[in-house]
Amino acid sequence: QVQLVESGGGVVQPGGSLRLSCTTSGFTFSSYGMHWVRQAPGKGLEWVAFIRYDGDNKYYADSVKGRFTISRDNSKNTLYLQMSSLSAEDTAVYYCAKLLLLWSGSAACDYWGQGTLVTVSS
Amino acid sequence: EIVLTQSPGTLSLSPGERATLSCRASQSVSSSYLAWYQQRPGQAPRLLIYGVSDRATGIPDRFSGSGSGTDFTLTISRLEPEDFAVYYCQQYGSSPQTFGQGTKLEIK
Repeated sequence: QVQLVESGGGVVQPGGSLRLSCTTSGFTFSSYGMHWVRQAPGKGLEWVAFIRYDGDNKYYADSVKGRFTISRDNSKNTLYLQMSSLSAEDTAVYYCAKLLLLWSGSAACDYWGQGTLVTVSS
Repeated sequence: EIVLTQSPGTLSLSPGERATLSCRASQSVSSSYLAWYQQRPGQAPRLLIYGVSDRATGIPDRFSGSGSGTDFTLTISRLEPEDFAVYYCQQYGSSPQTFGQGTKLEIK
């Protein structure tokens, strides 16, 4: 069965950096685009970043552009989010999510990880 | 950026009743790329509907989606206890993809 497991969250000081990972199994990772979506405590869902199935195209929300980098290692079935210059506004649960459609750039997300909490605090 | 506005913010109903949730877009949603997700407390979002009206795998047929252009609706025909949760609409046809702010469906 499809599984997505995020890791790497924790407490980090303002201005610090963190790298999240999303380890996947149960599907052909290299054939699907992947998203990072976050949810601040008690708030709604906010899209963060997207990477195409082959890693050639990447897109970012304005709120993280220039600070976050999405990447993937198709040989390890793993998605990453490198986060830097973190501020309190980045405090959230970060989810990785898989696109519903093969080789697509625009599709809904049919599988989500359980999320990893990032807390930015001094 | 397409802004999605969901209404009502909170909907109070009883099991067995019909629920109608609305999602209005600030501009037309491209190619009917509109989805609905359910999120229960402490859980990740779950895809219910994609492409405006297609049910995701394993979703009961009491859930249905409709609409076009800028106005979309999620209908739950007869509420079960497990349906009380927060529901989000999402448009994924224009970059950046965006989510609505959510509708909380609570037990009356």
